[in-house]
Amino acid sequence: NAGVTQTPKFQVLKTGQSMTLQCAQDMNHEYMSWYRQDPGMGLRLIHYSVGAGITDQGEVPNGYNVSRSTTEDFPLRLLSAAPSQTSVYFCASSLDNSNTEAFFGQGTRLTVV
Amino acid sequence: GENVEQHPSTLSVQEGDSAVIKCTYSDSASNYFPWYKQELGKRPQLIIDIRSNVGEKKDQRIAVTLNKTAKHFSLHITETQPEDSAVYFCAASRGSSNTGKLIFGQGTTLQVKP
Repeated sequence: NAGVTQTPKFQVLKTGQSMTLQCAQDMNHEYMSWYRQDPGMGLRLIHYSVGAGITDQGEVPNGYNVSRSTTEDFPLRLLSAAPSQTSVYFCASSLDNSNTEAFFGQGTRLTVV
Repeated sequence: GENVEQHPSTLSVQEGDSAVIKCTYSDSASNYFPWYKQELGKRPQLIIDIRSNVGEKKDQRIAVTLNKTAKHFSLHITETQPEDSAVYFCAASRGSSNTGKLIFGQGTTLQVKP
């Protein structure tokens, strides 16, 4: 099994550009989420989804959109990139929302200049 | 919403010593407390977790304790080895009663000196 796959691994954007970070899982997990990791701030929840067609905001949702049209995919869209969005982004999935292990993707390192 | 505080932010120990990382949480309804280890340049991976109906859980050299009254939980690593060097994150969740949101602490960088 591939587990949770994120693409790309690295990306450089100019301020104001838009892009989509891809996340796919092949474990038939219902629950998926996006985190950003910044030094000294841990992993902060951006958006999450409890199943296809259902999404909700996490701790730091501003500047990001998500959709969940299928169980497998949970893309994260940056609408107009800002330097403050420079970070490492992790997608995670778990079987459901009843306190089961979260499996993380390998991360995307995004730099906005 | 839930807030998780983690201390210390950095911890340096000699090989063979014990290491303790502490977390406090704000939501008294939280009932699941996992710990993740992240090696340099890698993804976080679950190392141990505890649920609110248990006070302590052990797995070889690692253990986690939970004090629900005080709303804090701790990770204990005994007989530390250089390969234990990593960033450790605690987290808290109240499961499906809050759509399963997993909120993380700020992380602790553990350095084990040989």
